[in-house]
Amino acid sequence: DTGVSQDPRHKITKRGQNVTFRCDPISEHNRLYWYRQTLGQGPEFLTYFQNEAQLEKSRLLSDRFSAERPKGSFSTLEIQRTEQGDSAMYLCASSWPGLAGNEQYFGPGTRLTVT
Amino acid sequence: GNSVTQMEGPVTLSEEAFLTINCTYTATGYPSLFWYVQYPGEGLQLLLKATKADDKGSNKGFEATYRKETTSFHLEKGSVQVSDSAVYFCALSRASGNTPLVFGKGTRLSVIA
Repeated sequence: DTGVSQDPRHKITKRGQNVTFRCDPISEHNRLYWYRQTLGQGPEFLTYFQNEAQLEKSRLLSDRFSAERPKGSFSTLEIQRTEQGDSAMYLCASSWPGLAGNEQYFGPGTRLTVT
Repeated sequence: GNSVTQMEGPVTLSEEAFLTINCTYTATGYPSLFWYVQYPGEGLQLLLKATKADDKGSNKGFEATYRKETTSFHLEKGSVQVSDSAVYFCALSRASGNTPLVFGKGTRLSVIA
């Protein structure tokens, strides 16, 4: 098991462009979470899935953001019409309900810079 | 709503010093509590956890005890090393389990030789 992977690791884009990030969770984990982390802050929850169902979305997830997990395996997070305020580290995590206390395993993150 | 408050950093200690990073929380019911660590250039790693009151989580010489009466989960280590330099995050998940984590802002620790 290679852990949670994210692609790309870094993305630089111009304001107004669309970007898409991918997350591959640990293979037996059926829950997948997206968080955003800005400099000097802790991660903030965006949305999460159980299998292919999106169970919850944070108010931080504006209508420019959309996430999918079509086959219950990998997930994508798309940001449309990026703004400079979207610059952040986007983190993906996965978990398995059988893990006591909801241990979540994090990927390395995708750092987005909007110029 | 649920929230986590951590002591602000940065914290600078000499090698072999005693470490305490304070963490208090606000939550309904009995959340699970976590400490995550982020080493320079790396992703978040789970350091330790506690799932019920009076539980003590421990790992790599670090310890934290779930104190329901004071709503706290302070991180301690008896003798820090330079390799412990990192950012430490306290977090909770809702009592219903397997739910999104709520993080504190993080505390940067620097250990000097």
